[in-house]
Amino acid sequence: EDQVTQSPEALRLQEGESSSLNCSYTVSGLRGLFWYRQDPGKGPEFLFTLYSAGEEKEKERLKATLTKKESFLHITAPKPEDSATYLCAVQAGGQNFVFGPGTRLSVLP
Amino acid sequence: NAGVTQTPKFQVLKTGQSMTLQCAQDMNHNSMYWYRQDPGMGLRLIYYSASEGTTDKGEVPNGYNVSRLNKREFSLRLESAAPSQTSVYFCASRTSVADTQYFGPGTRLTVL
Repeated sequence: EDQVTQSPEALRLQEGESSSLNCSYTVSGLRGLFWYRQDPGKGPEFLFTLYSAGEEKEKERLKATLTKKESFLHITAPKPEDSATYLCAVQAGGQNFVFGPGTRLSVLP
Repeated sequence: NAGVTQTPKFQVLKTGQSMTLQCAQDMNHNSMYWYRQDPGMGLRLIYYSASEGTTDKGEVPNGYNVSRLNKREFSLRLESAAPSQTSVYFCASRTSVADTQYFGPGTRLTVL
């Protein structure tokens, strides 16, 4: 069965304190791994897609990396506006997208 | 260009009532999806439509029906609402040439 787990469940950082979020997956035939940001009361907003082990993508203070079993979302020198829930999802094939439960990030000023 | 829109934003139903959640996208995407999001759980796929005229079940289809009205619109119907269907519902769309899904703002549904 395809499965996605994320850790930690919640993370509190001071502004400027870098850290990483983890997404571990079990899937038969990974087609793609996705990171989304979700603000309270809103729909998920697309951040990155990764397709193969070793691939990296960057956007402002965020960097996503992928291995054969997990992905990391590195946050460098975060700001309060980076506070959100970060969701990881995998596409096993066709229309089958499996989401993890998310990591709730709080960045304190 | 509004992206993906959903109506209503909030809804309260009594057990046994029916309702339809509406979704529309203006990005000319072929595929559309309905998910539910519950606390502590990831988004779970209810139904999807790979193209106009086709619909398929996802992970949690029981108690729901869908209609792909045209390329733009994909509706989700609850025929007889149950408290277990209290959730936030998201619609999403995707092109056939990329894997990225674009989400609407969600509908928060409470069934009493």
